[in-house]
Amino acid sequence: ELKVEQNPLFLSMQEGKNYTIYCNYSTTSDRLYWYRQDPGKSLESLFVLLSNGAVKQEGRLMASLDTKARLSTLHITAAVHDLSATYFCVTTQGGSEKLVFGKGTKLTVNP
Amino acid sequence: GAVVSQHPSRVICKSGTSVKIECRSLDFQATTMFWYRQFPKQSLMLMATSNEGSKATYEQGVEKDKFLINHASLTLSTLTVTSAHPEDSSFYICSARILAKNIQYFGAGTRLSVL
Repeated sequence: ELKVEQNPLFLSMQEGKNYTIYCNYSTTSDRLYWYRQDPGKSLESLFVLLSNGAVKQEGRLMASLDTKARLSTLHITAAVHDLSATYFCVTTQGGSEKLVFGKGTKLTVNP
Repeated sequence: GAVVSQHPSRVICKSGTSVKIECRSLDFQATTMFWYRQFPKQSLMLMATSNEGSKATYEQGVEKDKFLINHASLTLSTLTVTSAHPEDSSFYICSARILAKNIQYFGAGTRLSVL
């Protein structure tokens, strides 16, 4: 059974600081997603990572994928309050369309 | 980006009644849609995969007769919570996948409260 573990689950940081969220998954997968969810809202797609060594950046967020280590990271650079949200690492089980979610990392950026 | 519309966004109902939630792909066709459930401060759990023109595929532990899914067209899937009880209160989210983009787009979610 595919499992996705995120670390940390809760993150409180100061504006302007950097931090990394880690995501480990237990079995081989062909793609890795990062989604953002604001309180009471649905999910917004941030990144899709499809191959080993993939790195994607959007604004202050950068995601990477190491398929050999079964590890993805979401790096936050110079955090701002608007980044406060819950971030989900999501993957699929070999060839399946079914998404398997991590528990999410609740990020709070303090002024 | 692609838009998935989910309606209603919130519903409050009495115990024993049935509630229908609609999920529409507005600018693309979706042969497959997905229904998730999210408890407060928890992650999303896949309930079922909705296939256009055929029966839905339910995940283990999800009652088929309780959560009726219909996917009658390429742009619409519905989830009906039958004889709702307070323990069915939750946030229900649908998604639809664009094959070419390898991305699932999510609806805004429906918060169901059963009194």
